[in-house]
Amino acid sequence: DTGVSQDPRHKITKRGQNVTFRCDPISEHNRLYWYRQTLGQGPEFLTYFQNEAQLEKSRLLSDRFSAERPKGSFSTLEIQRTEQGDSAMYLCASSLGEYSNQPQHFGDGTRLSIL
Amino acid sequence: AQKVTQAQTEISVVEKEDVTLDCVYETRDTTYYLFWYKQPPSGELVFLIRRNSFDEQNEISGRYSWNFQKSTSSFNFTITASQVVDSAVYFCALSGRDGATNKLIFGTGTLLAVQP
Repeated sequence: DTGVSQDPRHKITKRGQNVTFRCDPISEHNRLYWYRQTLGQGPEFLTYFQNEAQLEKSRLLSDRFSAERPKGSFSTLEIQRTEQGDSAMYLCASSLGEYSNQPQHFGDGTRLSIL
Repeated sequence: AQKVTQAQTEISVVEKEDVTLDCVYETRDTTYYLFWYKQPPSGELVFLIRRNSFDEQNEISGRYSWNFQKSTSSFNFTITASQVVDSAVYFCALSGRDGATNKLIFGTGTLLAVQP
């Protein structure tokens, strides 16, 4: 059983650079979520896809952030002109179904460090 | 607004002790779901349990048990006979029907350290 896969595991970049993360959900899962987790905090919701449609974005997601899920399978999260405050763990999760609040299964995350 | 509070920041116990992790939630939804996740040092969030707001039966799974009380808006998690492998950060989370997104609202987590 293949779980949620995220790439890369770690990303170190200089302030002002663009970065892109990839998430491959569990194959039959139609719902995909991105969260951000900073040290000592719980994950915070960023955005949600149902199939290829992006249905909700958090106010945490500034204009520098964009997410896509072009074919309803894998998703990418891009951060443009990175800032120090973007340093965090970026978590992807997927789940099955529409209204039953099925558990979300998380990947290992991508840890972003801004120099 | 939805909110989850985990007042215990860190708990340290000795192996074989029982330990209870507290979770208090706030929501205006009549239908909602509560979850517990475990985050070991490796970082991956591991799903432990889901309960819906209409099912207040307590649940036991091996050494783990959960106590859901709507009257006090609490969903506490007990580990009996703790083991070193239980050392992790434990998160309580809430999901409502807000926009049918089912996004999770997490607490700040409780770091459990089990000493040998």
